[in-house]
Amino acid sequence: DIVLTQSPDSLAVSLGERATINCKSSQSVLFPSNNKNNLAWYQQKSGQPPKLLISWASARESGVPDRFSGSGSGTDFTLTISNLQAGDVAVYYCQQYSNIPFTFGPGTRVDIK
Amino acid sequence: EVQLLESGGDVVQPGGSLRLSCAASGFSFKNYAMTWVRQAPGKGLEWVSIITGASDNIHYADSVRGRLTISRDNSKSTLYLQMNSLRADDTALYFCAKGASGSRFSTLDGWGRGTLVIVSS
Repeated sequence: DIVLTQSPDSLAVSLGERATINCKSSQSVLFPSNNKNNLAWYQQKSGQPPKLLISWASARESGVPDRFSGSGSGTDFTLTISNLQAGDVAVYYCQQYSNIPFTFGPGTRVDIK
Repeated sequence: EVQLLESGGDVVQPGGSLRLSCAASGFSFKNYAMTWVRQAPGKGLEWVSIITGASDNIHYADSVRGRLTISRDNSKSTLYLQMNSLRADDTALYFCAKGASGSRFSTLDGWGRGTLVIVSS
């Protein structure tokens, strides 16, 4: 199974500043049939189901603010939240959908400093 | 608008059985893969099982294989999870989620609010 690790476990960022979350995969999530990285990012606010933010490592979902951006390839990925807002307080998960089982990372909690 | 409504969660004794349902609306259910994801209290997300639109591809996490069975009824736009031989570590909020495409290899772009399963004597 592919194991995803996230760092840091949690971070506190001042309003308007940048939050950076890393996700590392135990093996490449580059999908041979389309040469895309099958890596997604989800946001889960307290008491709510997860919400898809980014697909294919860097493709922002419709309606997601451009303050959220994804990057990386192969085994190393980053979610960046620019100009952090109070509404961004949540736990963020990466997920690979390249190899079954489609595993999630352990999550990174983002709070306001 | 995609809507997913899970039901069937309950308190059950170890070794017991339960059947979860997920009623879908707002999209052409038969054309999309569907997934169950669970979240133990205070913990992270765990992928459980996936079924393609025509039920021709089904996969499970090792932790549930042989005890949990995913199925769907496209005529009713409903996803199911039959849970047998339940254990304490199956205690979790169970989410159903819609795949972004008919392929297994897609993201989860719609989620229900979950149904809570508690396995306890």
